[in-house]
Amino acid sequence: SYELTQPPSVSVSPGQTARITCSGDALPKKYAYWYQQKSGQAPVLVIYEDSKRPSGIPERFSGSSSGTLATLTISAAQVEDEADYYCYSTDSSGNQGVFGGGTQLTVL
Amino acid sequence: EIQLLESGGGLVQPGGSLRLSCAASGFTFSSYAMTWVRQAPGKGLEWVSVISGSAGSTYYADSVKGRFTISSDNSKNTLYLQMNSLRAEDTAVYYCAKAGRGGSYYLWDYFDYWGQGTLVTVSS
Repeated sequence: SYELTQPPSVSVSPGQTARITCSGDALPKKYAYWYQQKSGQAPVLVIYEDSKRPSGIPERFSGSSSGTLATLTISAAQVEDEADYYCYSTDSSGNQGVFGGGTQLTVL
Repeated sequence: EIQLLESGGGLVQPGGSLRLSCAASGFTFSSYAMTWVRQAPGKGLEWVSVISGSAGSTYYADSVKGRFTISSDNSKNTLYLQMNSLRAEDTAVYYCAKAGRGGSYYLWDYFDYWGQGTLVTVSS
């Protein structure tokens, strides 16, 4: 079955740029979506269709995709951005959704 | 205000069955695809199943295909997940999630609203 691969953890100091990657063979043809999940809470969408930011999401969150790699970038990361981040997409046939394994972002 | 409220979780023995419900309000339920996502304790998110607003299209993860059935009742604005032949690895919090945009084209759209989740524990 189709898989999206993320690094298990990323750590940055406050004010630095955090980059979280998501690798998948179908990403050249399928959009990537990014969700933030804080402990004990439901996920929140932070990026959709590779690079679009929903209303209410801070401008420091941005996304890009090139080839088989999608990237979530958090510029000038803040302590409040500490969370698990998941990429999401569909397989090449468009018959199944799939989440990446998740990346724990530490900002300290 | 859009709300999604899951119910039906609980403790069930291996091989047993359970039906989850997701009561929706605040939007035109029949116009939006709905998805079930689960999260095992301490683990990541796993996509489970999606149903189109018209209920004409359904898709399943390989891990649940043949055991779980997604359905919806547009007259009751309610999404269901019938889970049969449950296994220990099905233990998880199950979330229902609403597609961000309506219409059949957005079956695989992003999720803009999530429920609070309902815990399913499969154990003897």
